[in-house]
Amino acid sequence: EAQLVESGGGLVQPGGSLRLSCAASGFSFSSYSMNWVRQAPGKGLEWVSYITSSSSNMYYADSVKGRFTISRDNAKNSLYLQMNSLRDEDTAVYYCARDVGYGFDIWGQGTMVTVSS
Amino acid sequence: QSALTQPASVSGSPGQSITISCTGTSSDVGNYNLVSWYQQHPGKAPQLMIYEVSKRPSGVSNRFSGSKSGNTASLTISGLQAEDEADYYCCSYAGSTTWVFGGGTKLTVL
Repeated sequence: EAQLVESGGGLVQPGGSLRLSCAASGFSFSSYSMNWVRQAPGKGLEWVSYITSSSSNMYYADSVKGRFTISRDNAKNSLYLQMNSLRDEDTAVYYCARDVGYGFDIWGQGTMVTVSS
Repeated sequence: QSALTQPASVSGSPGQSITISCTGTSSDVGNYNLVSWYQQHPGKAPQLMIYEVSKRPSGVSNRFSGSKSGNTASLTISGLQAEDEADYYCCSYAGSTTWVFGGGTKLTVL
């Protein structure tokens, strides 16, 4: 069964950094592009970032561009999100999601990031 | 990258049909047939229900259907059941390998 499991969330002060991880299993991770999607408490979904299967291209939402970096390690079946210069408005549950070209078909359970002093 | 517009809430009785609209622009919904819909139960991860405007992934009930006209996409759920009560989000490709979601619609089954 295809599965994604996020980790690395927690409480961080404004201006701080955090690195999220997403471990994939049950499918050929290296064959798929991947995404990060977040959801602020009580709010809707927001697409954050995308990376191709070979890491040749990465894209970001304007709200995180220049602060977040998406990466992956296909040998470890893992996806990452390095988050720097964190702001209060980055507080959210962060999901990793498998990209199938027409949408996101597999999602993790999410990891909570809280930015607060 | 402005969010797509969805009604905040819709409701219906068991057995009835409801439709949720999703309005974007000519840069996203109106320009690509890459509209998808996601169902999210409280505390759970989203689940893909519709892709490419009107296609259903394997395992999704045929009570769920999608359509699009111009800059507005729609999700229709027929034969409402209690387990359909959830939040629903539309999503559209917006070019340059970016995606935009709707604000979400809370469906209440009366």
